[in-house]
Amino acid sequence: TQLLEQSPQFLSIQEGENLTVYCNSSSVFSSLQWYRQEPGEGPVLLVTVVTGGEVKKLKRLTFQFGDARKDSSLHITAAQPGDTGLYLCAGALGDSNYQLIWGAGTKLIIKP
Amino acid sequence: GAVVSQHPSRVICKSGTSVKIECRSLDFQATTMFWYRQFPKQSLMLMATSNEGSKATYEQGVEKDKFLINHASLTLSTLTVTSAHPEDSSFYICSASSTGPYQPQHFGDGTRLSIL
Repeated sequence: TQLLEQSPQFLSIQEGENLTVYCNSSSVFSSLQWYRQEPGEGPVLLVTVVTGGEVKKLKRLTFQFGDARKDSSLHITAAQPGDTGLYLCAGALGDSNYQLIWGAGTKLIIKP
Repeated sequence: GAVVSQHPSRVICKSGTSVKIECRSLDFQATTMFWYRQFPKQSLMLMATSNEGSKATYEQGVEKDKFLINHASLTLSTLTVTSAHPEDSSFYICSASSTGPYQPQHFGDGTRLSIL
């Protein structure tokens, strides 16, 4: 059974602080996607990382794919209340979108 | 780009009713569509994968006669929950993806199904 362990499951911090969310697996992924979901809505794609060691930045969000393509991290700098939401990572096996292994999600709350 | 529309957003109906949920890709051709179920405060649970013109592939434990999936065109897939019961109440989300390597899944806004 392929697993993608996501941590922490819950994080509540003050506005302006930094945070990192981790996704780890023993499986090698061809790509890994990060999504953000708000209550009552579907997940919205933030980024896809494909190459081992790849780093992508989206404003205050930095995404990194591990060298061995088994793990990934999301770092948020100077978090803002608008960053509040459920963050999900999903690893793809093979080069198709057919099978995604989902992390359990990180519920992030940024307090003003 | 890559907009997926899911309808309805919320359904409340009596036990025994069949409910159809539509998932449309508005600006791209979705060769593959996925149906998920999500329980409160949990991640997504894949129910089935459908390719246009083919029968859906269901995940283990998902009853294909209970959850009927049709993917008749490159822009539309439907999920019908047949003879729904209170235990079928949940948040159902579809996603769609086009062909090619590393194509991500794009999600609809989900359907909140409540069976009384």
